[in-house]
Amino acid sequence: QVQLQESGPALVKPSETLSLTCTVSGASVNNNGHYWNWIRQPPGKGLAWIGSIDDSGNTNYYPSLKSRVTISLDTSKNQVSLRLSSVTAADSAVYFCARDWVEVGATSHFFDSWGQGALVTVSS
Amino acid sequence: SFVLTQPPSVSVAPGETARITCGGPNIRSYSVHWYQQKPGQAPVLVIYYDSDRPSGIPERFSASNSGNTATLTISSVEAGDEADYYCQVWESDTDQYVFGTGTKVTVL
Repeated sequence: QVQLQESGPALVKPSETLSLTCTVSGASVNNNGHYWNWIRQPPGKGLAWIGSIDDSGNTNYYPSLKSRVTISLDTSKNQVSLRLSSVTAADSAVYFCARDWVEVGATSHFFDSWGQGALVTVSS
Repeated sequence: SFVLTQPPSVSVAPGETARITCGGPNIRSYSVHWYQQKPGQAPVLVIYYDSDRPSGIPERFSASNSGNTATLTISSVEAGDEADYYCQVWESDTDQYVFGTGTKVTVL
């Protein structure tokens, strides 16, 4: 049973960089076929995919966030990290990490495991 | 990018059937996945690949996908089914994950 746990500062100042870590247990972040994702949810609003990284470290980002987002793996700590630069109040949200485990022959992607989420508020 | 439209809310009496739609152009050509999110909790996968249920999800949850609409059906609704529900697809052309706008299910 894979478990994901987000951690990081709950308060970030405008124009600074938001940094979150997702610690994974029950699976290795470099397991074949694993994609690790970040998804956010502004208060009272819907889910929005931010980006993903695969087991080889290849990344894929939502186009409008691409210039500000970096997702990386730390295989020694079995963690996935998110960095979002130049934040504004619009980036205030609960940030989730989620696993997408793609089996051989799969034709789609979905999220089968989620962390509990981390609330990040952007405010001075 | 692909837009998935869901009704903002659905109300249903206990024991009745709730149907939640997810609309998008030719959505039938995509595999649709569904998530349940209760207040203050992370989403939980309830349906994948249009109609498959993960282990532990009751048979009361079923889904279909045809034409321009995918539908999640909750039979014999219980108070514990009150939650937000989101559909999701993966766009192979752009390698992007897309969520629906979400539907709040209220059990009367």
